[in-house]
Formats: sequence, C-alpha cells, structure tokens
Amino acid sequence: GAGVSQSPSNKVTEKGKDVELRCDPISGHTALYWYRQSLGQGLEFLIYFQGNSAPDKSGLPSDRFSAERTGGSVSTLTIQRTQQEDSAVYLCASSLVGGGMQPQHFGDGTRLSIL
Amino acid sequence: EDQVTQSPEALRLQEGESSSLNCSYTVSGLRGLFWYRQDPGKGPEFLFTLYSAGEEKEKERLKATLTKKESFLHITAPKPEDSATYLCAVHHFRDDKIIFGKGTRLHILP
Repeated sequence: GAGVSQSPSNKVTEKGKDVELRCDPISGHTALYWYRQSLGQGLEFLIYFQGNSAPDKSGLPSDRFSAERTGGSVSTLTIQRTQQEDSAVYLCASSLVGGGMQPQHFGDGTRLSIL
Repeated sequence: EDQVTQSPEALRLQEGESSSLNCSYTVSGLRGLFWYRQDPGKGPEFLFTLYSAGEEKEKERLKATLTKKESFLHITAPKPEDSATYLCAVHHFRDDKIIFGKGTRLHILP
C-alpha cells in the first residue's frame, strides 16, 4: 500500500498570499497529525485529527492557520495571509489509531517558502 | 514543562566505530517513547517504540533502551548508510501530545 502522500512537495509564494497544503494518509489510518519543522528545530506539533474531529487545536501558531479533514481521509492545512516566519517544512503523519500508542508514518513534507 | 532533549546535536564517527545517542525527557506519565530516522528531504521513518523502563528493542545495527529518565540509541559497527538525523519523541498521558526532540545528526565516515 501507498504511504502518506503530501502535495505540493514545494511551494513558493509571496507574503500575504493564502496557501493550502494537502495530506493523503495511509488508507485505514484514523489518526492524522500535522507538524512544522524549521531549520535546526525539532518537529513542532500543530494539530491532531481523530477521524474528522480535531480534539486538540492548541498547537496552531495563530488564527491564520486552520485545518480540516473530510471523510476520515484527506486533510488540508490552510495558512492565510502568509508571513515570512511561516517558511518551513510542513509534515503530515498518520497512525492506525490515535492516542500515541501507535507509531506515526510520515509523508515527505511540503517545503514552504514565503518571499 | 515537558521537555525532550537529545545529545549530542551532531556526531561524526568512523565506519565501524560504535557509539550511543541520548534522549532525556522530563515528562510525567510517559505512555511511550519513539525513535525515528530522518534522511535529508524526507519525512521521519519509524524505528522503535519503547513503553517501560528496562525495555530494549533491536534492529540490525541499532538497539534502543529505556530508563525512567532517558533512552539510548546504541549503534554498533555503523556503516555510511546509517548517516541520518535520529529523532526521539515521547508521548504522555496528560494531553495525548507527542513531543519531539531536536534530533542528533549522525555522520559515518567511510
């Protein structure tokens, strides 16, 4: 079976524009996670979905960030009015179930550059 | 505050030179500790999960161990293809979050 798929793999945009990042998890995985990885930093947790619900939105850096998941499958992370500090690699992961007891399987990320 | 600290930040070894990477954590109510490997331009790849102090897991040249305060990733007779960043992550009961360390960049010289 296919792994976690993220698109686009690279995105360059101007400051102030909106961007939408997509994650297609492994089929059958109910939990989905978004992380941000900046140069020299660890993975920063953004949001976690169990099914279509996000019980924990506390990691979203600001109200410019939002995420949704539909059909218990594909998820999109949207950043509005992008700022230069949003430049990073955005990683998506899925696991069979939530609760952290199952390992997460990661996609290769979207490298976002804000000019 | 819950923290995960990995050391060293970077490590250069000669091929065949064994060593250990450290992951120390201050998390109350640990549910599990994970080790991942990350190659440049790729997402992290799962290696091990450890659940309780005293537990050990092995895979090829890697062995992970866990105590109440830290975990070690031992690498025996490494090869150049073991070069990567190794990430440690902990999951705790309190709020179901998984906290990652900043990783150790391992470089094995041929």
